Formats: sequence, structure tokens, C-alpha cells
Amino acid sequence: EIQVVESGGGLVQPGRSLRLSCEVSGLRFGDYAPTWVRQAPGKGLEWVGFIRSELKGGTTEYAASVRGRFTISRDDSKATVYLQMNRLEIEDTGVYYCSVEEWWGQGTLVTVSS
Amino acid sequence: VLTQSPGTLSLSPGERATLSCRASQSVSNNYVAWYQQKYGQAPRLLIYGASSRATGIPDRFSGSGSGTDFSLTISRLQPEDFAVYYCQQYGRSGITFGQGTRLEIK
Repeated sequence: EIQVVESGGGLVQPGRSLRLSCEVSGLRFGDYAPTWVRQAPGKGLEWVGFIRSELKGGTTEYAASVRGRFTISRDDSKATVYLQMNRLEIEDTGVYYCSVEEWWGQGTLVTVSS
Repeated sequence: VLTQSPGTLSLSPGERATLSCRASQSVSNNYVAWYQQKYGQAPRLLIYGASSRATGIPDRFSGSGSGTDFSLTISRLQPEDFAVYYCQQYGRSGITFGQGTRLEIK
């Protein structure tokens, strides 16, 4: 069974940092390009970014709204992808989902508030 | 930019639903997917490559289209189909979602 489990969400003040983790099991994680998607309260889905497999260079792509503030990395030995979020803004509040192909986690809530 | 229409669709169980997704530029390789999201749940992939059903998706769901115009059709609505639907364009440099269509019970 394929499982995707996010963790690391919580309440953080504007301007601070937070790191989310996403652990994947049940598939050859190294072959895939995990993606982060977020959803503000009551709003639609917004793509955040993804990281390619090491075979394809392990490079990343980001949405314009987070580029330069967020960084995605991966540790294939732990089947885990990370989302490092710096200089957080109130508009970054929402549920953050990790997805690998068709498999999604249940999300982790990030609340940016003073 | 992906524009979905209508914003809200009110239908009864057993009816046919057609949801539209229009791209501002031609989508290469028809890399369009459709997702269903129910309240409090993660999105669920229904269709990828514009017309291929994902694993375990009932055949009442079908996708079509090419270029800039895509659609999702649900042939006979079941009570569990009432949810929000998103189209998605995916490619080498990024991903874009439409704003969503809410399918509600009439």
C-alpha cells in the first residue's frame, strides 16, 4: 500500500521559518518527482513546487509566489521530501499537501499569524 | 491560466454533468488532469493526459479535449460525485490549477 504522510505544520509568526516533511512508502521513491500543493482556507488548489528525481538532476521548480523563499529538497534514503519555508507571510497560511503521481497525503496545516 | 466553467453546477443524481476547462495557451501533449475534492479531504486524481482514467476511477468519469479546451463528463451522477472539481495543467516547468467547479445537488 502506498502511503504519503506530511508533518511539520503548525502556528508560526510572519517572517519566521518552518520545515515540512513528507514521507512516502510503498513505491520506489527515487524514481518519482514529489510535488507540494497548498490550499488556503476556503480557496482552491495552488501548486507550490516539485523536485525531479536524481536521475533527472534533482532540480526544482517553484511557483512565482514562493520562489526565493521556499526550497524543496529530498532524501531518497529516507523516502522523504522536504519543504523549507522562509520569510513566511500571512498569505502562506493553508493546508500543504504532498503528492507523488496520483498519491496524495492528507495535508498538514500551516498557520502564519502574529 | 486555466479557466473553469461554470463556477457552480447544480444537478440531480442520475443526470449528466459536463465541466469545462479552458487554457490561455495550448497545452502541450494534452497534459491536463482532473481532480475531485470533497470537504476536508485531499484531492483525488480522476483523469490524466486529458482522457486516461486513473486507477480505480469508475467509467462514468471521462475526459476529453485538446489544445486549449478540455472537459470532464460524469455520465450518471451518483450521490458521492457531488464535490469540487479542479483541472490541472502540468508540464516540465510547472503546474497550474483551475479555480474549480463546485458540483452541487439540485
